Amino acid sequence: GDSVTQMEGPVTLSEEAFLTINCTYTATGYPSLFWYVQYPGEGLQLLLKATKADDKGSNKGFEATYRKETTSFHLEKGSVQVSDSAVYFCALRMVQGAQKLVFGQGTRLTINP
Amino acid sequence: NAGVTQTPKFRILKIGQSMTLQCTQDMNHNYMYWYRQDPGMGLKLIYYSVGAGITDKGEVPNGYNVSRSTTEDFPLRLELAAPSQTSVYFCASSYSSSWFSAKNIQYFGAGTRLSVL
Repeated sequence: GDSVTQMEGPVTLSEEAFLTINCTYTATGYPSLFWYVQYPGEGLQLLLKATKADDKGSNKGFEATYRKETTSFHLEKGSVQVSDSAVYFCALRMVQGAQKLVFGQGTRLTINP
Repeated sequence: NAGVTQTPKFRILKIGQSMTLQCTQDMNHNYMYWYRQDPGMGLKLIYYSVGAGITDKGEVPNGYNVSRSTTEDFPLRLELAAPSQTSVYFCASSYSSSWFSAKNIQYFGAGTRLSVL
């Protein structure tokens, strides 16, 4: 079945460091890909998305590129801030049908000042 | 600008008790979903609905029931609570105009933290 694998966490960085969180997927067909963020005590919020190969999603300084050849959707940010501390989830959704999301296990990111 | 509203935020149940987790959305979304999030894990789909009167099982439906009598509401029922149902539950909704749609986005509620002791 469809699945998403994220890099193991937790990840701890200093403010202004470069961030990469790896995400790879397995799917039959061509899914849409998403990054969701969960701040402490809150629900999930969509951070960015890409719906076809080579699309780049971006928001709040975060970027991810849909790489069909490597089945990857790695999340990057050039300079992280303390306010970026959260749990990040990679997810896929098949285009057809009930459009259910399949999530990775999440990566907890902590940014120290 | 409420979005997806879940109640209660926290609940402690004894083994064998029952309860209903409420979810309502005010965005006129046709699709609604229930997920559970276990510690250190991603979200897993329990049940979903593509419209009023239509529900279907997700990945982990055992021990739960749902109904969708209106577009706005999608309650999740636990009939005989078990410790394995200790989790954080998220409701989500989205709008889709067709069976094939790449663009719709799921919006999530703030979650219900449930402990079964």
